[in-house]
Amino acid sequence: AQKITQTQPGMFVQEKEAVTLDCTYDTSDQSYGLFWYKQPSSGEMIFLIYQGSYDEQNATEGRYSLNFQKARKSANLVISASQLGDSAMYFCAMREGLHNQGGKLIFGQGTELSVKP
Amino acid sequence: GAVVSQHPSRVICKSGTSVKIECRSLDFQATTMFWYRQFPKQSLMLMATSNEGSKATYEQGVEKDKFLINHASLTLSTLTVTSAHPEDSSFYICSAARAGLNYGYTFGSGTRLTVV
Repeated sequence: AQKITQTQPGMFVQEKEAVTLDCTYDTSDQSYGLFWYKQPSSGEMIFLIYQGSYDEQNATEGRYSLNFQKARKSANLVISASQLGDSAMYFCAMREGLHNQGGKLIFGQGTELSVKP
Repeated sequence: GAVVSQHPSRVICKSGTSVKIECRSLDFQATTMFWYRQFPKQSLMLMATSNEGSKATYEQGVEKDKFLINHASLTLSTLTVTSAHPEDSSFYICSAARAGLNYGYTFGSGTRLTVV
């Protein structure tokens, strides 16, 4: 069975600095997708970045990058130049199978990020 | 972009009553809808997967008679919490599967249920 683990319940970062949020996963599938979502206090789920298991390059989206280490089964999120608005819960998630198969998304425990001015 | 409209955003109900939560895909057809439950400061726990026109598949430990899911059309899925109790108070959020957008998933805005 697939499993996602986030071992950092809470993280603090100084404004304008970079921060890494850890995520490890476990799956027996060869095809899978890894996601990061941001959830502010309003509760909405904001998609940040995606990495497919066959993607050779690490995904990047603006200030977000995903440090994908397949052999170690880790998919850490790096946020550069942190902003006060980055304070939120961050969830790592995994889908087994290809994205056009509509497989279920399983979430990690989450990391609460607080950005200090 | 694809939008999933979830209503109500907040609901307070009395213990023993039923509450219906709707998720509607506004500009696309959602063949699969996922329903999650989230307690404060915790993860999203998948409750069930619904496919249009067929019975929902529930995750282990989720009472299917208590959490009724209906996916009667390609644009509407509903979750009904029957005979609600205070322990059912939680944040419920739906997610529609759609190939090609955000690599497959669009979330509703969530429903905060409080049972008194």
